[in-house]
Amino acid sequence: TQLLEQSPQFLSIQEGENLTVYCNSSSVFSSLQWYRQEPGEGPVLLVTVVTGGEVKKLKRLTFQFGDARKDSSLHITAAQPGDTGLYLCAGDRAGNMLTFGGGTRLMVKP
Amino acid sequence: GAGVSQSPSNKVTEKGKDVELRCDPISGHTALYWYRQSLGQGLEFLIYFQGNSAPDKSGLPSDRFSAERTGGSVSTLTIQRTQQEDSAVYLCASTLDGTSGNTIYFGEGSWLTVV
Repeated sequence: TQLLEQSPQFLSIQEGENLTVYCNSSSVFSSLQWYRQEPGEGPVLLVTVVTGGEVKKLKRLTFQFGDARKDSSLHITAAQPGDTGLYLCAGDRAGNMLTFGGGTRLMVKP
Repeated sequence: GAGVSQSPSNKVTEKGKDVELRCDPISGHTALYWYRQSLGQGLEFLIYFQGNSAPDKSGLPSDRFSAERTGGSVSTLTIQRTQQEDSAVYLCASTLDGTSGNTIYFGEGSWLTVV
């Protein structure tokens, strides 16, 4: 059983559509990070959210941390083919020890 | 180097052989992590080094797995008597120190295939 559950596991959409990826846990995290990983490369940090209820925006990506700091969501507006990749959430419980979710594989078709 | 460097990038080995995977962290980073990733899946924590402290080995799946970090820099992950289920991408990451919130930088990984 994963400590962090991501959903959906797979998502295939058309260019221009919106989507939301969820990251849920029963544990409280001091911070939560979102990563994007492309084939053959390591994960790259997109954002870190720290405060319960925090919302951060990165161009067309909106990240939200739940009030109780147990869950998070990533919303992409008007998805582009360049958004294709594996999206990973990771919770930090203490001292930068990250626990990763199982990932959401996104494919955006032109 | 500018980023975390891992070698080899790809390794095919026969079942039962030992393998060594190397990680060069970003210069000055005292914290170093090893993770394992099965195809298209999330990351499984293996081991964590922070400065001169005893490493956190709580994620190592069996006693066939070991890792060391010499001189507080380069790290080697060793898998003895490899099994087919060891096939995965082994990712190394480093960060400035173990303080929560510091950005963690990943290498490109070492893809291990056990045949």
